Amino acid sequence: QVQLQESGPGLVKPSETLSLNCTVSGGSIISRGDHWAWIRQPPGKGLQWIGSIYHRGNTYHNPSLKSGVTISVDTSKNQFSLRLTSVTAADTAVYYCARHRGTCSSVGCQGYFDSWGQGTLVTVSS
Amino acid sequence: SFELTQPPSLSVSPGQTAIITCSGDELRHTYTSWFQQKPGQSPVLVIYEDTSRPSGIPERFSGSHSGTTATLTISGTQAMDEADYYCQAWGSGTGVFGTGTKITVL
Repeated sequence: QVQLQESGPGLVKPSETLSLNCTVSGGSIISRGDHWAWIRQPPGKGLQWIGSIYHRGNTYHNPSLKSGVTISVDTSKNQFSLRLTSVTAADTAVYYCARHRGTCSSVGCQGYFDSWGQGTLVTVSS
Repeated sequence: SFELTQPPSLSVSPGQTAIITCSGDELRHTYTSWFQQKPGQSPVLVIYEDTSRPSGIPERFSGSHSGTTATLTISGTQAMDEADYYCQAWGSGTGVFGTGTKITVL
């Protein structure tokens, strides 16, 4: 059974860059039909899809988020990553990585998130 | 913009049926997933593609979909089902989660 684990700093200063990694174990990130997603949840609030990536590097982002979101993949490490630049207090959240079973294209994605990491709290504060 | 609306809260007695709705215009054209989230834990997929149940999810969880509304039904609700529940769907080029419903088992 695939497992995901987020890692990265728990505290980031305003205007700086948030960087997180997600390591996949128990399965290959090079899996046909699977994308890999980042989802976040501000304290006490609901869930927000940030974006998904395919192992070939194709990325799909939530258009409602500001520019500055970068999702990348490193197949040699079975890992994918999130970078969010120029963060503000509004970016304080628990960040989850998840397996996204489904397809994505230029018009959007389909599918579902069937395996999640435990989540990591990132606080934006000086 | 694409939005999914759920009732904020629902109280149910043990053994009774809990019904959670998720409404949104885009649901007419796409599948819905449902997630259970207990305090301090990651969300868990309980229903995908409107009606399918992942392995390990109890049969008391079921889903349905009609037009612009998706429904999660918990039959014979147990104390362990007390949690937040979120629907999720794709549309307008993005993925959206519902506003969430807190189920309290009294």
